Amino acid sequence: AQRVTQPEKLLSVFKGAPVELKCNYSYSGSPELFWYVQYSRQRLQLLLRHISRESIKGFTADLNKGETSFHLKKPFAQEEDSAMYYCALSNYGQNFVFGPGTRLSVLP
Amino acid sequence: EAQVTQNPRYLITVTGKKLTVTCSQNMNHEYMSWYRQDPGLGLRQIYYSMNVEVTDKGDVPEGYKVSRKEKRNFPLILESPSPNQTSLYFCASWGVSSYGYTFGSGTRLTVV
Repeated sequence: AQRVTQPEKLLSVFKGAPVELKCNYSYSGSPELFWYVQYSRQRLQLLLRHISRESIKGFTADLNKGETSFHLKKPFAQEEDSAMYYCALSNYGQNFVFGPGTRLSVLP
Repeated sequence: EAQVTQNPRYLITVTGKKLTVTCSQNMNHEYMSWYRQDPGLGLRQIYYSMNVEVTDKGDVPEGYKVSRKEKRNFPLILESPSPNQTSLYFCASWGVSSYGYTFGSGTRLTVV
């Protein structure tokens, strides 16, 4: 079965510190992985898609098939990065599965 | 502008009074889905639809109905709402040519 886990419910870091939001998945095939962000009282927005391999707002994520992980990283956190982050998995047109989310709090 | 539109944004209703939350997308997406978001539980999928007249249950379908008569619309129906359905609901759509899931702005439902 498809499953996405995010072990940290809450992650607090100081401004300027590096950030790593963990995501692990279980899936028998080759899934498509995403990171979504939800700022306070707003809709979820797509942040990253593993296929595109691009950097958005300074965030990057690398798909590690051996460890079945898709951790989200940023070298220097900003206060405006404070939000809820969801890792998600899709099997290319079939269903999407979201992780439970990690709340990132960047302290001044 | 490409978007997913949900209505209403806020709704307060009483137990047992049928209600419908509408969802419409203008991107010709094949796939649409409903989620509810509750504190500490993240996003849980209620129902999804692969295309017109094709719907399937998600993780928490009890107490909800959906229909997909047209590609652009995917309403969520609560036949007899109960207080445990008080939640924030999101509709989302995805197409084979799209970059990823597009979410609506959400509907905050309170059942008293």
